[in-house]
Amino acid sequence: GAVVSQHPSWVICKSGTSVKIECRSLDFQATTMFWYRQFPKQSLMLMATSNEGSKATYEQGVEKDKFLINHASLTLSTLTVTSAHPEDSSFYICSARRLAGGSGQETQYFGPGTRLLVL
Amino acid sequence: GESVGLHLPTLSVQEGDNSIINCAYSNSASDYFIWYKQESGKGPQFIIDIRSNMDKRQGQRVTVLLNKTVKHLSLQIAATQPGDSAVYFCAENNLPAGNMLTFGGGTRLMVKP
Repeated sequence: GAVVSQHPSWVICKSGTSVKIECRSLDFQATTMFWYRQFPKQSLMLMATSNEGSKATYEQGVEKDKFLINHASLTLSTLTVTSAHPEDSSFYICSARRLAGGSGQETQYFGPGTRLLVL
Repeated sequence: GESVGLHLPTLSVQEGDNSIINCAYSNSASDYFIWYKQESGKGPQFIIDIRSNMDKRQGQRVTVLLNKTVKHLSLQIAATQPGDSAVYFCAENNLPAGNMLTFGGGTRLMVKP
């Protein structure tokens, strides 16, 4: 259990185009999903927190008009990189928070990531 | 919050040896900690977690130790195998930041055959 998928797994696009990345929790419901980006040899950088049915909360320095997040259902969140530029090339990873059973502790499970290359 | 590490420390071990990966966390209010394994080109994979009311938890071949006094977390891998080669991140549940995970910088584990 606790599988998170992302689509696409990698994408190459021209500068100026928009790219949509989907994140799905396959076998559980996630009221909260998170979007991270990761540059080579670096740790994960949280971009935004997405709650189902409400607006996403963005981290400082992340442009909300640049990175559009939609959390339409308890199993799907999307990240759209608008007017992508080469500096947006990165590894984008989503995660979904699942409420653990007996302990009540929420655990985050990560998707496999989407590698974006903007030419 | 997030943590960025520009240079990942590397731990190199011989296959079959035990590995110990260390992590220092910053927030004494954190009450939940997770270790993740990330292989090249993949998302982080949950390994093991521990709550702050425990100081040790064991899984299959892995043990997590928590020392709240010095805010230190470690991951021990027994009989390390080549498939264990990856980057390992610790994460703390940072309550003041709104119940979100804060990641450490990561440690690269290289297993020599």
